[in-house]
Amino acid sequence: GQQVMQIPQYQHVQEGEDFTTYCNSSTTLSNIQWYKQRPGGHPVFLIQLVKSGEVKKQKRLTFQFGEAKKNSSLHITATQTTDVGTYFCAGMDSNYQLIWGAGTKLIIKP
Amino acid sequence: EPEVTQTPSHQVTQMGQEVILRCVPISNHLYFYWYRQILGQKVEFLVSFYNNEISEKSEIFDDQFSVERPDGSNFTLKIRSTKLEDSAMYFCASSRTKTSTDTQYFGPGTRLTVL
Repeated sequence: GQQVMQIPQYQHVQEGEDFTTYCNSSTTLSNIQWYKQRPGGHPVFLIQLVKSGEVKKQKRLTFQFGEAKKNSSLHITATQTTDVGTYFCAGMDSNYQLIWGAGTKLIIKP
Repeated sequence: EPEVTQTPSHQVTQMGQEVILRCVPISNHLYFYWYRQILGQKVEFLVSFYNNEISEKSEIFDDQFSVERPDGSNFTLKIRSTKLEDSAMYFCASSRTKTSTDTQYFGPGTRLTVL
């Protein structure tokens, strides 16, 4: 079946360093959505990308959707302790189902 | 801001028992979803529901599972005979439409523990 692969599984960074997580789908997606989940919490919607090659920014977060609408990335510049959590991508397939990546856990080293 | 609510926040049950998880979607939304997340793993789609019937379901959503919209506000997930492996967080979500530009809003989840 359709899969969305997300890497890395974990990323340890010093506060102030950058963080990037990547998602890759086996098939073309209708859109890709990004969510953040704090420990013990529920996924919170961050952003949705629909157009091929789209780039969106939210303060220190930059989201990209690939030209083929199969891959996406989230980049956080100068991480802060409030950025801690697991970041999930979720691709919408042709049946409007969200296919989730495994998530990348961002850990800030003290 | 309107939000999806779920009850209970935590449910503990014995293996073989029936459980019903409840959700109140956002009031003007028409599409409803259930997802589950086993601890430490990714979110998995279970089922989508529209116009009082199931739209799509995943392989996980077998005969032990059923969904219902018993009234104008609640959306429920029933597990008939729980198994240990059903222990997970169950998230309800809703969306206004079902297009590539719409967003699914997630509830806070119900943590189901099967003993």
